[in-house]
Amino acid sequence: DAKTTQPNSMESNEEEPVHLPCNHSTISGTDYIHWYRQLPSQGPEYVIHGLTSNVNNRMASLAIAEDRKSSTLILHRATLRDAAVYYCILRDVRDYKLSFGAGTTVTVRA
Amino acid sequence: DAGVTQSPTHLIKTRGQQVTLRCSPKSGHDTVSWYQQALGQGPQFIFQYYEEEERQRGNFPDRFSGHQFPNYSSELNVNALLLGDSALYLCASSWDSGDYGYTFGSGTRLTVV
Repeated sequence: DAKTTQPNSMESNEEEPVHLPCNHSTISGTDYIHWYRQLPSQGPEYVIHGLTSNVNNRMASLAIAEDRKSSTLILHRATLRDAAVYYCILRDVRDYKLSFGAGTTVTVRA
Repeated sequence: DAGVTQSPTHLIKTRGQQVTLRCSPKSGHDTVSWYQQALGQGPQFIFQYYEEEERQRGNFPDRFSGHQFPNYSSELNVNALLLGDSALYLCASSWDSGDYGYTFGSGTRLTVV
């Protein structure tokens, strides 16, 4: 499985943007970049995914580097409800499983 | 619209026993995956069921087995429980291959004593 590297933790202030980096230098051409988050005492929640182009949805934006070896999840205005573990996952188009790493624990200060 | 429903929410079993966990997928989803999450770690893929067949399996022993019913609901069975099987078991559903994301339930917390 292709590997991703994320910082262990990040802190943010409420209503400020959060930029979560993810390195995936061994990404292959058939790997999609997926982001999930897990709030305390809940199962993971789908956030966003992309292949080559930047993606936006109601929850977040995903910026993908031109060489695809890194990506950044952007939460535009953090709220206290965004405090969670954020997982960056590479998923091959031919694969059905999600391979979770340790993720980044995001803390949001009021 | 109900999401993924798992039962029971908590369970305590004795080493050597067998356990069955249940999952009802989100409405409109036909695929169910199971994950094991140990404390402080990310979820680990056990297997996925589609059209009542196991489509893909992770690195788990044969003690872990599953089933999918015609209504798309699923069961996870674990035989000969070990202390190390204590974990949060998560069910995730999707439409077919999950290209547009998986929806996870809140899990079943299994404690083996």
